[in-house]
Amino acid sequence: TQLLEQSPQFLSIQEGENLTVYCNSSSVFSSLQWYRQEPGEGPVLLVTVVTGGEVKKLKRLTFQFGDARKDSSLHITAAQPGDTGLYLCAGANDYKLSFGAGTTVTVRA
Amino acid sequence: GAVVSQHPSWVICKSGTSVKIECRSLDFQATTMFWYRQFPKQSLMLMATSNEGSKATYEQGVEKDKFLINHASLTLSTLTVTSAHPEDSSFYICSADTGQGPAYEQYFGPGTRLTVT
Repeated sequence: TQLLEQSPQFLSIQEGENLTVYCNSSSVFSSLQWYRQEPGEGPVLLVTVVTGGEVKKLKRLTFQFGDARKDSSLHITAAQPGDTGLYLCAGANDYKLSFGAGTTVTVRA
Repeated sequence: GAVVSQHPSWVICKSGTSVKIECRSLDFQATTMFWYRQFPKQSLMLMATSNEGSKATYEQGVEKDKFLINHASLTLSTLTVTSAHPEDSSFYICSADTGQGPAYEQYFGPGTRLTVT
């Protein structure tokens, strides 16, 4: 069983639309990371959130950490084909990461 | 900064042979490195954690005698898949913890695709 539940599993949208990916857990994490992975490559770190309620913006991407540090969301505004990829959330406790199952995002031109 | 490389990027080997995969941190020293495997359309599963100069810590269900990990320096960790079988075919990814930043950020290598025939 996954410690972190991601939803939806798949998301296909048209260029210019917005999307939100959710990452939920019953566990509390000291921090949470979001990664994006393209086929045949390793994950690339997008952001780390540490404080409950924290909101971070990275251009068109907005990341939020829940107040209780158990959940997080990733919102993409005006998605572009370059946003296509597998988005993974990972919760950190001690020094190890526990990954969600991932959300495959496809942005159609 | 925080670049991690892996070698080789892909390898094909025959059943029963051993394969070594290298993971290097290029621009930082990594006290801790991690090895993951990923099956198609699935997420990353942690196999083991390695610390420089000490024995690796394996996750439950991972055979330590089959997946040998060596972390001889602060910039190099190796994973050797011994007596490989077709079921060991997978995408192996390493990561390194810089020990800096807010909390437990890991930087990943590009992965190694292992195919055992």
